[in-house]
Amino acid sequence: QKEVEQNSGPLSVPEGAIASLNCTYSDRVSQSFFWYRQYSGKSPELIMSIYSNGDKEDGRFTAQLNKASQYVSLLIRDSQPSDSATYLCAVNVAGGYQKVTFGTGTKLQVIP
Amino acid sequence: DTEVTQTPKHLVMGMTNKKSLKCEQHMGHRAMYWYKQKAKKPPELMFVYSYEKLSINESVPSRFSPECPNSSLLNLHLHALQPEDSALYLCASSQDSAGGTQYFGPGTRLTVL
Repeated sequence: QKEVEQNSGPLSVPEGAIASLNCTYSDRVSQSFFWYRQYSGKSPELIMSIYSNGDKEDGRFTAQLNKASQYVSLLIRDSQPSDSATYLCAVNVAGGYQKVTFGTGTKLQVIP
Repeated sequence: DTEVTQTPKHLVMGMTNKKSLKCEQHMGHRAMYWYKQKAKKPPELMFVYSYEKLSINESVPSRFSPECPNSSLLNLHLHALQPEDSALYLCASSQDSAGGTQYFGPGTRLTVL
């Protein structure tokens, strides 16, 4: 089982809809979870970090964490064509050192 | 300010060349990282420096040599690279080594001929 799993997509949603991106992880003691957005040819850009169970909202973005189910998701409300990118889920691996494992990413396409 | 800078933006080198990639941050972060990213793949960790000491080397070939001259600077020295080393090289930093958020620089696009 991969440490961090994401559906590679592409996930296609119409403009204005809610995009739901999902991520599961295998290490039960993981404490830190991150969502990055990466446009083609560019570097990853932090969207949100989440550390506690529940929801965390920032503008049109909501991250949801469920440690019991080892599941973290990202909801994008009112999706815009500019949201079209690859979204990387990243999980801090336990062990003391700051080592983050990335999922393979989900490609999101927002259709105008 | 969450800016990490990298130079150069693009680099083309032959297999016999020696070159260096540079990374700088002025956020007071004490952990810095090098990642390698191939097309359509996630970033792959290469090295981690924590408080200017190398803390993680992910079994990277010796033709890649990292250096952390001070808490703000991180270099990656390249020597005798192979064409398969062509990739986007990303530098990142975080406040410390306690699970904090990593901020990425814009990357250096490396092509090895």
